Amino acid sequence: EPEVTQTPSHQVTQMGQEVILRCVPISNHLYFYWYRQILGQKVEFLVSFYNNEISEKSEIFDDQFSVERPDGSNFTLKIRSTKLEDSAMYFCASSELAGGSSTDTQYFGPGTRLTVL
Amino acid sequence: LAKTTQPISMDSYEGQEVNITCSHNNIATNDYITWYQQFPSQGPRFIIQGYKTKVTNEVASLFIPADRKSSTLSLPRVSLSDTAVYYCLVGDRTGKSTFGDGTTLTVKP
Repeated sequence: EPEVTQTPSHQVTQMGQEVILRCVPISNHLYFYWYRQILGQKVEFLVSFYNNEISEKSEIFDDQFSVERPDGSNFTLKIRSTKLEDSAMYFCASSELAGGSSTDTQYFGPGTRLTVL
Repeated sequence: LAKTTQPISMDSYEGQEVNITCSHNNIATNDYITWYQQFPSQGPRFIIQGYKTKVTNEVASLFIPADRKSSTLSLPRVSLSDTAVYYCLVGDRTGKSTFGDGTTLTVKP
């Protein structure tokens, strides 16, 4: 069964450093998403991406965040200058279509645990 | 964006059927209802999706009344491994999924 993969599984970084989290969505999916989950809290939407541009972003997704699909398979989330409060699990998801249709189911990857020291 | 309300937690015993109800009073005409399961330190996992009436798959059933203002996820004969957080989501046009607090299901032996 196709699945979303994410690397690395765990990333430790120093405050102020840049990190890039990588995701390989399911191959025939067209919509891509990033979510984060701070320990013990709920899953929060960050950004959705379609046709090489951002479709929607939350208030969390400020100027220090960016997303890119550098090639036909990878989807990345870059955090430019990490802060302590960026420590969280980051989940990538992909879906065949978006919103309100029977094939908009989002499939999530296993996540990357980001620890900012 | 349709907001959902679920019980914060539920307890059950192995072998019992568990029903988790979600309220979504302002669901839009085109919205689908999707349930996810999440284990600690893992990504949410799709369980089931429906639009109206009843949907059944190999792991769960989803009951949606005619007014679609609520839905009930039914897990038949739960086991210890079904202990997890269950989220009810209502689809919106952008495809962004808004997770609520979910329902923490604890299955006891």
